[in-house]
Amino acid sequence: ETGVTQSPTHLIKTRGQQVTLRCSSQSGHNTVSWYQQALGQGPQFIFQYYREEENGRGNFPPRFSGLQFPNYSSELNVNALELDDSALYLCASSGGGASYNEQFFGPGTRLTVL
Amino acid sequence: AQSVTQLDSHVSVSEGTPVLLRCNYSSSYSPSLFWYVQHPNKGLQLLLKYTSAATLVKGINGFEAEFKKSETSFHLTKPSAHMSDAAEYFCVVSFNDMRFGAGTRLTVKP
Repeated sequence: ETGVTQSPTHLIKTRGQQVTLRCSSQSGHNTVSWYQQALGQGPQFIFQYYREEENGRGNFPPRFSGLQFPNYSSELNVNALELDDSALYLCASSGGGASYNEQFFGPGTRLTVL
Repeated sequence: AQSVTQLDSHVSVSEGTPVLLRCNYSSSYSPSLFWYVQHPNKGLQLLLKYTSAATLVKGINGFEAEFKKSETSFHLTKPSAHMSDAAEYFCVVSFNDMRFGAGTRLTVKP
């Protein structure tokens, strides 16, 4: 059974640029959630995708967008990057959208915005 | 609205002594509650979860937590700390989405 994988591991961008982060969910999981973890803080929920549809969104602006593909892998896109977007971006997959389902986390993508 | 507060940003214990990491939650509904651990440069790992079954929940690596509705608490405990327990611990409340606490850094002294 393959775990949750994310790519790339690290990324450096400049203000105003756009970035795409990728996540492959664990085998058999149809739900992917994305989180932003700033240095020294807990992860903050960005949004969740369940069977290719957005299934909830946190308090993030529209320049944070996502996609889920038929194989349940997912992308997080961030437009017009700002310095405060520098963070660890975590992807988690689960077997359904229910709140009690355990989420399995990937190792994250470290984004630095200069 | 749901939220979670971890009462200590840093806890330091000696190896072999008990661990107590405190968490209070706020939720309008019956929440699901989780504890996750994050080791440096590693992903988040689930320690245990409460989903309205038994109020005392046992997890991996000897950790357990007790759900106390009257106190809106879900504190994490372990009878005897091990050096490998040193990490960041997150309390999480979940209803429609998962809300993480700010984290508690556990240091274990030899």
